[in-house]
Amino acid sequence: DQQVKQNSPSLSVQEGRISILNCDYTNSMFDYFLWYKKYPAEGPTFLISISSIKDKNEDGRFTVFLNKSAKHLSLHIVPSQPGDSAVYFCAASTYSGYALNFGKGTSLLVTP
Amino acid sequence: EAGVAQSPRYKIIEKRQSVAFWCNPISGHATLYWYQQILGQGPKLLIQFQNNGVVDDSQLPKDRFSAERLKGVDSTLKIQPAKLEDSAVYLCASSQTTGGNYGYTFGSGTRLTVV
Repeated sequence: DQQVKQNSPSLSVQEGRISILNCDYTNSMFDYFLWYKKYPAEGPTFLISISSIKDKNEDGRFTVFLNKSAKHLSLHIVPSQPGDSAVYFCAASTYSGYALNFGKGTSLLVTP
Repeated sequence: EAGVAQSPRYKIIEKRQSVAFWCNPISGHATLYWYQQILGQGPKLLIQFQNNGVVDDSQLPKDRFSAERLKGVDSTLKIQPAKLEDSAVYLCASSQTTGGNYGYTFGSGTRLTVV
């Protein structure tokens, strides 16, 4: 049972434009949400997170938005750079829980 | 700081054989996780250790998978006997605190191919 869903397997964006990656979840007990970035042959690296008490968190070019009523979050990358080309995983956990539940990932390609 | 070390990077075995993976977490990280990532899927937690105790192994196929973390540092994950569907990347991760709140640090993984 997939509790975290990333319905877009791939996304292509031109350099300098905004990239928007989407994620939906079904478990209302999730309190903490994270985005990971993965390059080929490497492990995922932590990118940005947001707790359920917030609706927005920014870190440089990366912003995560959380809409709890819709059980939806998104990652915005502005401006997009070719080095951002990677697979992005959305993940969620409960504060009292331990496991991170991952989506299937979205492959982002930023073209020059 | 040094990252999470995993070995081997790649392994090819025949079905019904056994295999072991090794992980050395970041120094001082009390929590260690093993994840399985099948091609086209997100990582799935297999087991979580807090020091040398098991916190969550509910998704570990215990009839064939085993893991240990002696002395609360290094960890090994074993599969015996392997099946074709065990072909995946096995990721080790560590964190300073329990839970995912501060983001794990993942190793580069071991890619297992069962033929």
